[in-house]
Amino acid sequence: SQQGEEDPQALSIQEGENATMNCSYKTSINNLQWYRQNSGRGLVHLILIRSNEREKHSGRLRVTLDTSKKSSSLLITASRAADTASYFCATDARAAGNKLTFGGGTRVLVKP
Amino acid sequence: SQTIHQWPATLVQPVGSPLSLECTVEGTSNPNLYWYRQAAGRGLQLLFYSIGIDQISSEVPQNLSASRPQDRQFILSSKKLLLSDSGFYLCAWSTGTGDYEQYFGPGTRLTVT
Repeated sequence: SQQGEEDPQALSIQEGENATMNCSYKTSINNLQWYRQNSGRGLVHLILIRSNEREKHSGRLRVTLDTSKKSSSLLITASRAADTASYFCATDARAAGNKLTFGGGTRVLVKP
Repeated sequence: SQTIHQWPATLVQPVGSPLSLECTVEGTSNPNLYWYRQAAGRGLQLLFYSIGIDQISSEVPQNLSASRPQDRQFILSSKKLLLSDSGFYLCAWSTGTGDYEQYFGPGTRLTVT
C-alpha cells in the first residue's frame, strides 16, 4: 500500500493565491520529501524535512511535519502560473532502507 | 555537477516485442539507482532499485527485468511486452548515504500497441 497519500487529488486556484496540499503516511519515517512534476517530465526535488523537524521554508514553499499525526503539508504562497504541476510527497521509512515511497500526487492548476 | 540521461524519450512497440530502456548517470560514483513506472495521472510505482553492480532488488513481480552492467548504467528490459507495460518510465539516482533525495531523469513514454 502507498506510504504517502496526498490530499486533495486536484486543486485549482487563481494566480496570487496560496495552495495547500497534505500528505499522510503510515509508518515511522526518517524524513519526508516533496517533489514537483511538470507534465510529461521527470520529478524535481523541492524540499526535505527530517522527522525531528516541524517546519521548513524554501522560498515560497513552507512544509510542516506532524509525526504524531503522521502528516505533512506543503504550502505554496503567492502562486504563479509556472507553479502548475503535480506535487508528490515521498517518505523515507525507517524500515525501507534505500527506498522512497511516493504518494499519488496533487495536481495543481494555477490560473492566470 | 551530476546529470542523468534516459533514452529513448518515446517508444511505441507492439505486444510481444522486446524492450530495452537505458539510464546513465554522470558526475557521481556508486549511486543508488531506481526504475519507476507511472501510469497516467498516477503516482510512481517502484520497479527495481540497485545499490551497486549486480545488486538489484525487484519490488514488483512482473514482465520486466533490470541490469546494472556498469556503476552508472541501469537498464530496464523485457523479453515480451504486454499491453499493461505501457506507461511513463522514470530512472532516478541518489547517493548511497544520507537522506536519499532522488534525482530523476526526463523519462521514457512507452506505448505498447
